[in-house]
Amino acid sequence: DVKVTQSSRYLVKRTGEKVFLECVQDMDHENMFWYRQDPGLGLRLIYFSYDVKMKEKGDIPEGYSVSREKKERFSLILESASTNQTSMYLCASSLSSGRSSYNEQFFGPGTRLTVL
Amino acid sequence: QQPVQSPQAVILREGEDAVINCSSSKALYSVHWYRQKHGEAPVFLMILLKGGEQKGHDKISASFNEKKQQSSLYLTASQLSYSGTYFCGTEGSGGTSYGKLTFGQGTILTVHP
Repeated sequence: DVKVTQSSRYLVKRTGEKVFLECVQDMDHENMFWYRQDPGLGLRLIYFSYDVKMKEKGDIPEGYSVSREKKERFSLILESASTNQTSMYLCASSLSSGRSSYNEQFFGPGTRLTVL
Repeated sequence: QQPVQSPQAVILREGEDAVINCSSSKALYSVHWYRQKHGEAPVFLMILLKGGEQKGHDKISASFNEKKQQSSLYLTASQLSYSGTYFCGTEGSGGTSYGKLTFGQGTILTVHP
C-alpha cells in the first residue's frame, strides 16, 4: 500500500515564525502536491512538483514556498507565518507514468497548523 | 475556478440512494472523486476521463457529461460507512498537466441507521 506520511498531526506556531511541513511518500511517485483545507472551501492547491527540484504554483501560492530535493520528500515552507495561514494542510502524491490524469492521488493524514 | 458541488449536505437513512453533482465552468479532461471521513485523509473513489474511460471501486458508480462539464456520483443502497465528505476534483482539458486537480467545496453525506 502507498503510504504518505506528514511530520506532524498538530502544530502551533507564532506569527512571523518560519514553519516547515514535511511530507514523505514511499511508493516512488513522481507527482507530489500540497493542499490546504478550510471549511466550506474544500481542498485548494498551494504548490505541486512533478519531479525532483521541479515545482509549479497552484491556485494559492502566496506566502508559501516548497522544496523537493529528493523524490520521496516534499516540503512546504511558510517563510513568515501569519494567522490567516491557520488551516489543515494535506500532502498527496500520485504516479506519473505518462498518464497522470488516470492516476489517483494518495493523501497523507494532514497537519493541523495553528498560527497565534 | 473551483467546480461547484451540489447539494452541500445530504442526510440519508441506511439503504437510501443519493446523487452528488459536480459542475465546472470550463472544459474538462478528467474528474476525480474522493471521500474523506472525519479526521482522516481523503480516499480515492473514482476517476472519469474524457472519452469514457473510468477507474474506481466496484460499488461506486459515476457519470461524466463532457458537453455539460458535469459529473455525478451515485451512491445506492447507502451504508453507515458511506458517511463523510465527498469531493470532486477536476482537471481542465489542454491547460493543465501532471494530474493537477481543482477540488470542489465538498458535500457532507450523513447516513443514519
